[in-house]
Amino acid sequence: KNEVEQSPQNLTAQEGEFITINCSYSVGISALHWLQQHPGGGIVSLFMLSSGKKKHGRLIATINIQEKHSSLHITASHPRDSAVYICAVNTGGFKTIFGAGTRLFVKA
Amino acid sequence: GAGVSQSPSNKVTEKGKDVELRCDPISGHTALYWYRQSLGQGLEFLIYFQGNSAPDKSGLPSDRFSAERTGGSVSTLTIQRTQQEDSAVYLCASSLRVLGELFFGEGSRLTVL
Repeated sequence: KNEVEQSPQNLTAQEGEFITINCSYSVGISALHWLQQHPGGGIVSLFMLSSGKKKHGRLIATINIQEKHSSLHITASHPRDSAVYICAVNTGGFKTIFGAGTRLFVKA
Repeated sequence: GAGVSQSPSNKVTEKGKDVELRCDPISGHTALYWYRQSLGQGLEFLIYFQGNSAPDKSGLPSDRFSAERTGGSVSTLTIQRTQQEDSAVYLCASSLRVLGELFFGEGSRLTVL
């Protein structure tokens, strides 16, 4: 079992839909990151969380430390949101462990 | 510079040769990470620097891999006696402080023939 599990692996949505991507982890962490990677593109950091909830535009990220779970929500999804979304955790020693990613496709 | 800069962007080499990959982090960023993304695979942690020291080298795949960082700035990842399985995109990221937001470079694509 991977130490960081994401679900779903693949997600197709219609433009305008509300999207949720989940991340569960089994190790102790000091921080959790949500990253975005467009096809053939670089990686952009969306959020870094150690507790609670953060919002940026149409994106919301939450983390529940007790349940070892985080979610990334996209409201009013748009085709330009199509990308791979990656959950990553920093362990206490600052090693980074990555989830396998969620490939999102938003249809117009 | 404005962002994390990596060079070369592409490198093709023959099996057995040594390669050096360079990362120039955002000025003032104390933490620097190296990662690897093999074709169709997820991201893999290689090494982390805090200043010039690397407290965690556990991700380096073999003793053919080494990394250094000088002056708390530029870092070099060296792969000796390259093998075909070393072919991947090598990514560098930096952050202002430990547990800060990560800023990624565009990566160095290494192809070992």
